[in-house]
Parts: sequence; C-alpha cells; structure tokens
Amino acid sequence: GNSVTQMEGPVTLSEEAFLTINCTYTATGYPSLFWYVQYPGEGLQLLLKATKADDKGSNKGFEATYRKETTSFHLEKGSVQVSDSAVYFCALLYGGATNKLIFGTGTLLAVQP
Amino acid sequence: DAGVTQSPTHLIKTRGQQVTLRCSPKSGHDTVSWYQQALGQGPQFIFQYYEEEERQRGNFPDRFSGHQFPNYSSELNVNALLLGDSALYLCASSLGVSNQPQHFGDGTRLSIL
Repeated sequence: GNSVTQMEGPVTLSEEAFLTINCTYTATGYPSLFWYVQYPGEGLQLLLKATKADDKGSNKGFEATYRKETTSFHLEKGSVQVSDSAVYFCALLYGGATNKLIFGTGTLLAVQP
Repeated sequence: DAGVTQSPTHLIKTRGQQVTLRCSPKSGHDTVSWYQQALGQGPQFIFQYYEEEERQRGNFPDRFSGHQFPNYSSELNVNALLLGDSALYLCASSLGVSNQPQHFGDGTRLSIL
C-alpha cells in the first residue's frame, strides 16, 4: 500500500546550520507530495508542495524536490533559526476517489541558539 | 479570510461517554476531512465529507461517525469512548476532491479518563 517514511528525530541543530530531513514514499501512480509543520499546541500548517516529478516546492527558505526515480521528497533549508523548531511531516495525496493525506510519523527539529 | 476553525479546543470525557467535535472549513472550501493524531504520531485519516456525504473512510470502527451540513461545516461523533480514543482530532478542508492541499485547523484535544 501507499506509505511515507521519514527519518527519525529528534534532529538537533545550532542556529544557521544546514537542515535536511529525509522523506521517501511508496505509492502507485503519481501522488502530490507535501511538507507540513506543526508548532507546539497547534494544528498542521502547509509548508510546501509539489504535484509532479522534478517539481521543486519552496517557502520561507525551505525547499524540497519531487524525485520520482528515488521516490523521495527531502526537506532542506540552508540556515535554520530557533523559530524553525517544530515537528515536520511529509505526506502524499492522491486526488479523485482516494483524496486523503497519508503522513509520515513526523520529525522533531530542535534548533539551539 | 477565516481559516479552518474547530471547537472545542480541549475536552475531557470518561470511558463510555459520547462526544461531538465541530469544524468550520476555510472560506471557499467544500470538502472536510477528519484525522486522528495520537501523541508522537502522524495524523491518521478517519473519513471525508463532500456534498454532505461520506466519500471515503479510513480504518476506524463504526463508533466514529460524522455529518456535513449544507454550509459545508462538519461534525465528528464518537460513541462509547475508549481510553485509546485520547488524541488530537484534526479537521482539514479543501476544494473539491482534487489533489489540492488540505488546510488544517488547530484541532480538538480529547482526553479520556
């Protein structure tokens, strides 16, 4: 079946360090891919998306490229800030009859000043 | 532009009771999906409503039921509560049943004693 696998956390970085959070997926066909972020005590916020192979989603300095050949959608940021500390979820979505998000287990990012 | 709103924010119930959670979708959205997020886990799909009908359902028992109203708002009902139902319940809205992003509310934290 369809699934998403994320690297386990927590990921602890110093401010201004480079961030990579790995995400791979198993799916038939061509789903859309998303990164969501969850701050403590809040719901999920859409961070970025990509709808087809080789698309690059970007927002607030974060980027992820839809790699069909490696079934991956790794999240990157060149210089993290303390305010980026949160849980990050990778997810896939098919439209149409199976219009539901399938999430990974989430990766906790802790950025230290 | 109002986002997705959920009520109540917190709820405490005892085993065997029944609970109703409410969701108003983002302005312009007509599809509502419900997810259950256990502590430390990614959200799990419960069901989705579109045109006032349940379109698809995840792997949840019949104790979980829902409704969508003509104004697109939705309710999630859970009967015969179990300790394992303690979780954050998230509502997400979207436009139609395409692969467009789903936007989440801040959730209802349900605790079962």
